[in-house]
Amino acid sequence: KQEVTQIPAALSVPEGENLVLNCSFTDSAIYNLQWFRQDPGKGLTSLLLIQSSQREQTSGRLNASLDKSSGRSTLYIAASQPGDSATYLCAVQGSGSRLTFGEGTQLTVNP
Amino acid sequence: KAGVTQTPRYLIKTRGQQVTLSCSPISGHRSVSWYQQTPGQGLQFLFEYFSETQRNKGNFPGRFSGRQFSNSRSEMNVSTLELGDSALYLCASSGGSLWGYTFGSGTRLTVV
Repeated sequence: KQEVTQIPAALSVPEGENLVLNCSFTDSAIYNLQWFRQDPGKGLTSLLLIQSSQREQTSGRLNASLDKSSGRSTLYIAASQPGDSATYLCAVQGSGSRLTFGEGTQLTVNP
Repeated sequence: KAGVTQTPRYLIKTRGQQVTLSCSPISGHRSVSWYQQTPGQGLQFLFEYFSETQRNKGNFPGRFSGRQFSNSRSEMNVSTLELGDSALYLCASSGGSLWGYTFGSGTRLTVV
C-alpha cells in the first residue's frame, strides 16, 4: 500500500525567503507525481505534474524534482510571498487511477 | 476552457438523510474521481468512473455510491448520513495519466 509523507507539517518564513518542501513515498512504481496548493476551505489547485520518466518541472518561481528510485520529491519555492501562504499537497498516482496524498505542509509567509 | 464544476457548494443535512452531489468534468475528460477530505483522515479516494463504468473504488462503506452519465458528468450519493460524513467532497477529472488531475472547488457537507 502506497504511503506518502510530507515534511515539515508546518512552516513559517519571512517574505523573500527561498524554501523547500519535502515529499516521500514508499512504492516507487508510480506513473506521476503532482503538487497541489489548497487555500482554506477551497479545492485543490494543480501546481506541477512530474511524469515518472522526468526529473523535474518548473513553473515561474516553483521547481519540483522527482527521484523515483529513492521515493522522494521536493518542491522549491523561490522568493516567497505572502500570497504563497497555503497548504501544499503532494500526490502520487500508481498503477491504478487513484491519487495517494500526503498530509500536506501548511506554509505561512509573513510580510 | 471551463474547469471542473461541483454543485452545490454547501449542504447541511440531518443524520439518516441521503444526499447527492454533482460534478461536471472538463470538456473531453472521461475520467472522474471523487475524494473525501476531513481534518482527521486527510484526502481519501472514494471511487473513479471512466466512460460510465466504475474503474476503481476506495475503502468506503456501501452507503457511498456514484455513477457517471454519457456526457461524463458524475454524481455521488451518500445514504443514511452519519455525523462522520461531514467533510469536503472533491471531484477531479483527467484526460489521461499524462495530464494529471484537475480538481473542482468541492462541496462542503455538514451533517447535523
